[in-house]
This record gives sequence, structure tokens and C-alpha cells, in this order.
Amino acid sequence: NAGVTQTPKFQVLKTGQSMTLQCAQDMNHEYMSWYRQDPGMGLRLIHYSVGAGITDQGEVPNGYNVSRSTTEDFPLRLLSAAPSQTSVYFCASSYSMTVGYTFGSGTRLTVV
Amino acid sequence: GENVEQHPSTLSVQEGDSAVIKCTYSDSASNYFPWYKQELGKRPQLIIDIRSNVGEKKDQRIAVTLNKTAKHFSLHITETQPEDSAVYFCAATPRAGNQFYFGTGTSLTVIP
Repeated sequence: NAGVTQTPKFQVLKTGQSMTLQCAQDMNHEYMSWYRQDPGMGLRLIHYSVGAGITDQGEVPNGYNVSRSTTEDFPLRLLSAAPSQTSVYFCASSYSMTVGYTFGSGTRLTVV
Repeated sequence: GENVEQHPSTLSVQEGDSAVIKCTYSDSASNYFPWYKQELGKRPQLIIDIRSNVGEKKDQRIAVTLNKTAKHFSLHITETQPEDSAVYFCAATPRAGNQFYFGTGTSLTVIP
């Protein structure tokens, strides 16, 4: 049982490049979310999913796409990276909204 | 949607003293309130939670209280230790909700 696995742990992108942050969980959780965390700030919700095939926007969705083709995987795509997207990205999952999230270890992204 | 406010944003206490962090929420239908601890450079981890049918919950040196009438809940840490130094986040989720609403975090420093 690996929990929530995020890859890569670190990434440097050039402005305009695209990439996909991977998130996988092996706990059969229906609920999955992506958050970004900037220095001195809290967790801001980007996109979330309540099950395979179902996704919705969070607080800061612009510049990001998601899909949920399987229960296990919830990748986050940056369409055209911008310096404002420099942040630490956390994926989280839960089997219920009355049980806390399990977070992945995060991806530290720098856009230059 | 739900709005969660968290205070204070920073808190310094002497080792052995108690620390209290308070959160208020806006949606009276919220029924689940988790607390997360995030050490520097690490992922947020669930430390304690409370459901709306309970007024208080304890786990060793930490406790959470909930006042549904006033719509606020608090984290209490007694006999603080240097390893308690971290950022603490509160969260709330409405009944039948599909995402967690996080507070902005409290940076706790325990001075030896």
C-alpha cells in the first residue's frame, strides 16, 4: 500500500512548455484533488474529482487541465507554463468527505 | 460555498505552554472538521478530526472542540514541545459536499 504517489518530485520548466504532473493512489479512493501551495500561503484547490469520469474546477483552475479515466490516477496538465505557476503541488485523496485526506509528497515546480 | 477563517496566522509559545488555534466556518451544514500538521518541506498530515455530532475529541496532547451554534472549532495543544513547531491547517466540509475548504494556516513555533 503506497498511499498517494506523486511524480516527479522536482521539475524545472521553461515558460510556454507543457507537462503533466502524475498522481496515483492505491487505496481505491473516489475523491481526489489537486492543490497548489505558495510560500506563506495556504492550500488552494485547483481541480477535484469525485470519481472516475467526473471532475470539477476549484478555486484556481486557469492554466490547468485534469482528467480521471481510472479510480487510481488523476493527472494534472499544465498547458503552457508561466512563472506564476511556480509552486508546490499536492495531490490528495480520500474515500469519503467525512474522513481526512491523504496527501502525496508534493511536486516542486519552477517555471523560468 | 463554505468559507473557513483561521487565527492567528503565527503563534509563538514557550516549550511546555499550551497553544490554541481557532477556526470559524460559514456553512451551518458543515459536518466534518479535520486538522492537518505540515512540517517544513513535508506534506500535510491529518492529526485529529471531529464530526458535528461531537463537541470535543482528545488524542494525547492534542484536542479539538466544536461549537456548532457559534460555528467555530479550535485546536488545543498542551505541554508543547519543539517538534510541535509546524504549520497547522483547519478544514471543513459541508454535508453532501465534495471538497474540503481549508483555512489559511497557522505557523506555530515552540521556543525551547
